[in-house]
Amino acid sequence: GIQVEQSPPDLILQEGANSTLRCNFSDSVNNLQWFHQNPWGQLINLFYIPSGTKQNGRLSATTVATERYSLLYISSSQTTDSGVYFCAVASGSEKLVFGKGTKLTVNP
Amino acid sequence: SAVISQKPSRDICQRGTSLTIQCQVDSQVTMMFWYRQQPGQSLTLIATANQGSEATYESGFVIDKFPISRPNLTFSTLTVSNMSPEDSSIYLCSVGGVGFRGANVLTFGAGSRLTVL
Repeated sequence: GIQVEQSPPDLILQEGANSTLRCNFSDSVNNLQWFHQNPWGQLINLFYIPSGTKQNGRLSATTVATERYSLLYISSSQTTDSGVYFCAVASGSEKLVFGKGTKLTVNP
Repeated sequence: SAVISQKPSRDICQRGTSLTIQCQVDSQVTMMFWYRQQPGQSLTLIATANQGSEATYESGFVIDKFPISRPNLTFSTLTVSNMSPEDSSIYLCSVGGVGFRGANVLTFGAGSRLTVL
């Protein structure tokens, strides 16, 4: 099945810094989603982005499908951005496969 | 996207008991999914809950341990049976919206955090 690798596994930032999270996948996909899991366990869908670029406030994502990777950019980070960021991918109508996540800690 | 209500939000359970988690969606959906997230780990799909038929379980998960009901298009339950400490996890309900070429764009409930003593 499709493999998903996320990097870095852990990231510590000072408030106001920018960061880039990466997601590599092993096969062509028609479904790629980025999620944020807050410290209370709630999973929030950030982007559905099988290709191209999207922006939502301080967050943006780019997926280069031909090169099998996606990037999530966080600008001017805030303490509320802390949590775990998951990338999940699928091919065709197959089930989503989740990466292991990047744990982000933003310090005040 | 759909709004999903899940309960209980958390519980502490005794070994050997069973607990049923409820998932309510504010709109009719064809497929609902149940995931497990063990401490510090990623999400693993338990099963797909289909209305009007038995749930489809993933490898490593069996109906006797995780029975699922799907009585209508807006509601599902997952029971964790005969619990042991290894069942301590967050259990999450999700539903899919239609994406590109039939992709399931998932929305999640808030999760149920179970601790088994």
